[in-house]
Amino acid sequence: QKEVEQDPGPLSVPEGAIVSLNCTYSNSAFQYFMWYRQYSRKGPELLMYTYSSGNKEDGRFTAQVDKSSKYISLFIRDSQPSDSATYLCAMSGTASKLTFGTGTRLQVTL
Amino acid sequence: NAGVTQTPKFQVLKTGQSMTLQCAQDMNHNSMYWYRQDPGMGLRLIYYSASEGTTDKGEVPNGYNVSRLNKREFSLRLESAAPSQTSVYFCASSLMDRGRTGELFFGEGSRLTVL
Repeated sequence: QKEVEQDPGPLSVPEGAIVSLNCTYSNSAFQYFMWYRQYSRKGPELLMYTYSSGNKEDGRFTAQVDKSSKYISLFIRDSQPSDSATYLCAMSGTASKLTFGTGTRLQVTL
Repeated sequence: NAGVTQTPKFQVLKTGQSMTLQCAQDMNHNSMYWYRQDPGMGLRLIYYSASEGTTDKGEVPNGYNVSRLNKREFSLRLESAAPSQTSVYFCASSLMDRGRTGELFFGEGSRLTVL
């Protein structure tokens, strides 16, 4: 079993929809949780960075962490075609390296 | 600001050939990483360097070597390429603070095909 599980999709939604992306993990030592966005043929770029449990909001994006369930989510409100990308969750404990999910491909249609 | 620069962007090798992927960052970051990305496998860490002068194995180090040339540069070498090393390789850097990695900044990737 992988340390981090993420549904690969693809997930197709109409413009304006609310998108929910999720990851589960098994390592209880993970404390830092991140979401990266990766456009086709580009490197990943950081979207959200949260520590421990709770919510964090940034514009149309909200990240949630539930450490008791070992479950993290990224919500995108009012989705736009420009949000079409692959979304990668990533997490780390006190170590210096991140563990990534496999990524969920999102397509926002007009 | 260039950020993280990788060269080459594309490379085709024959089985058994060797090559080096170059990576440089201009953000004064102390930590640098090499990942490979394969369909259905996500990003997997090959090697990392927490600080200048140190390197450590990641999840999939076999068949690779690295050199942290200085604070800016971190190279990845394939000594005898195999078809299983066909992948997209990403270099990343971050500012590590008290053992915790901060945001990773990625390069654009190097697409390697081994025939």
